[in-house]
Amino acid sequence: GAGVSQSPSNKVTEKGKDVELRCDPISGHTALYWYRQRLGQGLEFLIYFQGNSAPDKSGLPSDRFSAERTGGSVSTLTIQRTQQEDSAVYLCASSQIGTGASTDTQYFGPGTRLTVL
Amino acid sequence: KQEVTQIPAALSVPEGENLVLNCSFTDSAIYNLQWFRQDPGKGLTSLLLIQSSQREQTSGRLNASLDKSSGRSTLYIAASQPGDSATYLCAVKTGANNLFFGTGTRLTVIP
Repeated sequence: GAGVSQSPSNKVTEKGKDVELRCDPISGHTALYWYRQRLGQGLEFLIYFQGNSAPDKSGLPSDRFSAERTGGSVSTLTIQRTQQEDSAVYLCASSQIGTGASTDTQYFGPGTRLTVL
Repeated sequence: KQEVTQIPAALSVPEGENLVLNCSFTDSAIYNLQWFRQDPGKGLTSLLLIQSSQREQTSGRLNASLDKSSGRSTLYIAASQPGDSATYLCAVKTGANNLFFGTGTRLTVIP
């Protein structure tokens, strides 16, 4: 079956512009996660959705970052007034259950490479 | 806050060699631990998931062990092949549901 997909695969923008990144999770997965990977660094958690609600937004680095999920499926990560330090690969993952499940495997999309000039 | 460390950061081995990658974490209160591989320009591929109640998992030439009390996991790769070249990441899932990742081990298998 289809895996997690993300679009665009690459995005180049100018400092100060807003960007939207899209994630299509695996059909039927209730949990969705956004992570960020800066060059040469590990993955950082940004936000977690269970269905359409986001019980954990603790990783969002500033109020310029927001995310929403509609219909328990597609999610959009929006970065307003982009800064050069926002340049990174943004990865989305989904899992079947989410909360408290020790067997719950996260499946990752290919990521969106964001470059802020 | 959970911290995950992977050693070594990079490793080169000749084809056919067996190898071990190490992962350590600071907080033993985990739900599970996953090993992933990441290929350049691509997303993460899940290799093995070990639940907190388990000691090891095996898939083909891969074997992952977990010692939760000491905060350690190892990924053993038998008879390495050039196609195994990638960055290997370990990640632990805590009660917060998100994964805490190590910075990875970049493996190169030389033909």
